Amino acid sequence: GQSLEQPSEVTAVEGAIVQINCTYQTSGFYGLSWYQQHDGGAPTFLSYNALDGLEETGRFSSFLSRSDSYGYLLLQELQMKDSASYFCAVRAFMNTGFQKLVFGTGTRLLVSP
Amino acid sequence: DSGVTQTPKHLITATGQRVTLRCSPRSGDLSVYWYQQSLDQGLQFLIQYYNGEERAKGNILERFSAQQFPDLHSELNLSSLELGDSALYFCASSVYRDTNYGYTFGSGTRLTVV
Repeated sequence: GQSLEQPSEVTAVEGAIVQINCTYQTSGFYGLSWYQQHDGGAPTFLSYNALDGLEETGRFSSFLSRSDSYGYLLLQELQMKDSASYFCAVRAFMNTGFQKLVFGTGTRLLVSP
Repeated sequence: DSGVTQTPKHLITATGQRVTLRCSPRSGDLSVYWYQQSLDQGLQFLIQYYNGEERAKGNILERFSAQQFPDLHSELNLSSLELGDSALYFCASSVYRDTNYGYTFGSGTRLTVV
């Protein structure tokens, strides 16, 4: 099966840097992606890592280490609007040969003034 | 507006009833995915359709069924509803058949079973 672990909650102040970790277990790995979800809103795609290393997209960066089955999302210059839940996700193959995207339980980020 | 349209936005119904949730994918996207989000369970994959055919199935209950029509819109049917079915139901779409990035989610249908 597949499992992903993330901290349940992280708090930070405006302007700070925060890192949200994700460790995963999956048979067959095809990349780690990150989604942001504001309360009551839809998840929105943030980033994707298929290979080891850091991917940067503006204030957000995502890192992957396949040997450690570990990744993180780094948010810089935090803004109040970054308060949201962040989910990591992996693609998993089922015994039918088809795939599904499996999400972690999410990390709630609270940004304070 | 993500381009993925879900209706209705809110639905309140009684136990034992049947409801249909509707999803129109983003223009050009052939894959539709359904997810259930409960307070304590995160996003749970239910089922995927690609160009009208079922591609992948998650832990979808037998009381639930779905289909994708020739115009690519999809419907999720939930029957014999129970209190525990209360959740947010999201539809997502992508242009690719198999991918773990680039899903576009709709705004969801909040189902409340009373």
